[in-house]
Amino acid sequence: GDSVTQMEGPVTLSEEAFLTINCTYTATGYPSLFWYVQYPGEGLQLLLKATKADDKGSNKGFEATYRKETTSFHLEKGSVQVSDSAVYFCALRNYGGSQGNLIFGKGTKLSVKP
Amino acid sequence: EAQVTQNPRYLITVTGKKLTVTCSQNMNHEYMSWYRQDPGLGLRQIYYSMNVEVTDKGDVPEGYKVSRKEKRNFPLILESPSPNQTSLYFCASTDRVRDTQYFGPGTRLTVL
Repeated sequence: GDSVTQMEGPVTLSEEAFLTINCTYTATGYPSLFWYVQYPGEGLQLLLKATKADDKGSNKGFEATYRKETTSFHLEKGSVQVSDSAVYFCALRNYGGSQGNLIFGKGTKLSVKP
Repeated sequence: EAQVTQNPRYLITVTGKKLTVTCSQNMNHEYMSWYRQDPGLGLRQIYYSMNVEVTDKGDVPEGYKVSRKEKRNFPLILESPSPNQTSLYFCASTDRVRDTQYFGPGTRLTVL
């Protein structure tokens, strides 16, 4: 079945460092891809999404490009801030393969030190 | 304001004592779902509902029930809770047109 694999954390960076969180997926057809963020004590919020190959999602300085050839959707940010400390989840939705339900990776915890 | 609310936010209970976690959304979405979040396992879907009176099992439905009598409400019912249901639970509501999912704030459940 469909699945999402993301790099295990925790990831600890200094402020202004470059961030990459890897995400790869397995799915039939053409899924939509998402990154969600969960700040401490809160629910998940949509960070960005991409619905077709080569699309780039971006928000709050974060970017991810839908790469069908490598089945990847890596999250990047050029200069992280302490306020970016959170858990990040990669997810896919495949209306063809999994009834349109969201399938999540296990999450990557990011800690940014001042 | 678009909102998904859950109650209670925190609950400590004992094995076998029936409980209900309520979920409500104000966006008139048809699709709603319940997830549990456990360390190292991410979010796993428990049940989902595609419309009123239409519900189906997700990946981990054992020990849970749901109902969808009105579009705005989607309660999660644990008839006989057990310690392995200690978890953080999230309700979500989906805007299928914008392909965006809205999550509630979570309910932290401890079953002793």
